Order: sequence, then C-alpha cells, then structure tokens
Amino acid sequence: GAGVSQSPSNKVTEKGKDVELRCDPISGHTALYWYRQSLGQGLEFLIYFQGNSAPDKSGLPSDRFSAERTGGSVSTLTIQRTQQEDSAVYLCASSSLQGTYEQYFGPGTRLTVT
Amino acid sequence: GENVEQHPSTLSVQEGDSAVIKCTYSDSASNYFPWYKQELGKGPQLIIDIRSNVGEKKDQRIAVTLNKTAKHFSLHITETQPEDSAVYFCAASRVNKFYFGSGTKLNVKP
Repeated sequence: GAGVSQSPSNKVTEKGKDVELRCDPISGHTALYWYRQSLGQGLEFLIYFQGNSAPDKSGLPSDRFSAERTGGSVSTLTIQRTQQEDSAVYLCASSSLQGTYEQYFGPGTRLTVT
Repeated sequence: GENVEQHPSTLSVQEGDSAVIKCTYSDSASNYFPWYKQELGKGPQLIIDIRSNVGEKKDQRIAVTLNKTAKHFSLHITETQPEDSAVYFCAASRVNKFYFGSGTKLNVKP
C-alpha cells in the first residue's frame, strides 16, 4: 500500500513568512510523529499525535511552531514568522501501535529560510 | 529524559568487510530499539529492531545485539556492499516516544 507522503518536498521561504507542511500518514495508523533533521544531524522530536488523545508537544522548540491533525489522519505543521535557524528537513512518521511499534517515515520536506 | 549516543560518526570499510555501529542509552525503561538506514534525499527506513526481552536478532547480513545491563546496543553488518553506503541511525523508545542517535555515515569502498 501507499507509504507516508509529505508535501511540499521542498519549500523556500523568506524570513518572517509563515509556512505549512503537510503529512499524509499510512491509512489506519493512529500514531503520527513530526521530527526535524538539521544538516548532518540526528532526528529531533517535535510533536506526537496518538488517536484522539491530546498531542505530546514537548519537543516544539518555540511557540512559533504548531501542529494539528484533522480527523485522525492528515497532519499540518505550521511555522510562523520563520527564522533562518528553522531551515532543516522536516520528517513525518506514522505507526500503527498495534503489536509492533515500527515507525514508517515519509520522504521529508526540505525547508530553506532565506 | 532519554539520551542516546552513537559512535562512530563516520565509518569507512572495504567491500566485503564487516561494519559495527554502537549506541548507548540512559533510560533503563526504554524497551524498543530500532535501527534506520537513510539514503540521500530520503526518509529513514527501518532495517532491523530489537525489544528489551531479546539479546540478539539477525536478518541475513545484519544483526543487532542488546546489553540491557550496560545499556548499549549495536548494529552489525557483514559482507558489506556498496549499496550499504548510507547514514544509519539508532533509536531508543519507551511509551511510544523515540530518541535518536546522531547518525553514522557508512561508506563502503568497492
């Protein structure tokens, strides 16, 4: 079946503008994660959604970052008033949390703030 | 919180040799340890995982070992091939939160 998809694949924006990044998880997966990967670095946890529970936002670096998940499926990560240090690859992953805990990652959105 | 350290940051081996990547973790409650392979321009892909009730797991040329007492786990790749060249990440997880190592760039020279 289809994997995790993300859009856009690349986004270039000017400092101070808002951006929205989209994630379509694997159908039926109840858990959805957002990570940030700076150049040559590991994955930094941002936010985690599980079913209808309140999301775990403990990884969001500032109040400029927010995310929502509509209908338990598609998720949008919004960055307001972007800064140059926000430039990174933003990865989304989903998991079924049924029996196994395997995460399946999307290809990521490369964000460049000029 | 959990802290995962991964070594080495880069590893260069000759085709056919073995490669070993090591990770340590700090939270004894972590109970799931996946390894991911990330190729350029792509998202990480799960290649093997191990749970805290198992000491070793093998899948063809790759294997993972876990030492819960010492809080470390390792990835072993035997008979390396050029297509194994990529960045490899370890992670430790509990309660559905994942903490990643900083990655190892593996270069397999033909």
